[in-house]
Amino acid sequence: AQSVAQPEDQVNVAEGNPLTVKCTYSVSGNPYLFWYVQYPNRGLQFLLKYITGDNLVKGSYGFEAEFNKSQTSFHLKKPSALVSDSALYFCAVRDPYSSASKIIFGSGTRLSIRP
Amino acid sequence: GAGVSQSPSNKVTEKGKDVELRCDPISGHTALYWYRQSLGQGLEFLIYFQGNSAPDKSGLPSDRFSAERTGGSVSTLTIQRTQQEDSAVYLCASSLAGGPNTEAFFGQGTRLTVV
Repeated sequence: AQSVAQPEDQVNVAEGNPLTVKCTYSVSGNPYLFWYVQYPNRGLQFLLKYITGDNLVKGSYGFEAEFNKSQTSFHLKKPSALVSDSALYFCAVRDPYSSASKIIFGSGTRLSIRP
Repeated sequence: GAGVSQSPSNKVTEKGKDVELRCDPISGHTALYWYRQSLGQGLEFLIYFQGNSAPDKSGLPSDRFSAERTGGSVSTLTIQRTQQEDSAVYLCASSLAGGPNTEAFFGQGTRLTVV
């Protein structure tokens, strides 16, 4: 079964510092991986995805994620955090071999950026 | 509209009553998903529609929950004989196709409170 794990419930970073939100996956074959963000009292927004190709994927709001097959990870990163990045972040995976597949989400990581 | 629209945005109902939640996907999107999120926590998959295929109902928590999608567009999630544990935010999403490389676009959600 496909799954993703987000080992940290909360990540705290000072504004201007680099941030990393961790995600590991368990998928048979090559995975299709996604990151979504949820700002307070709002729905989820798509940030970026890895399908194939370059391991470093760039997305919205200056975020990027690195696909690492040997470590089965897809960590979300940003070189310099902003207070406005404070939100709930979800990693997600879809089955690459199914033409019709649900999106499986991790448990979420709350990112808090302090001024 | 440009995005996924859900109604109502908030619903308070008495225990034991039935409720209907509505989702209008983005025009032309063939895939539609329902998720449940409790208290800003993770996303629990409920049901997935893709075109004319039989829906994936594997996430529905009990037979009190059902969903339909009429004409391949609007979807209604029905909860019968609501219980207090049904209180949550119900999120709907749609994507252009059901292929595993496509991202989903989420609505703002319906906050259901069962009293």
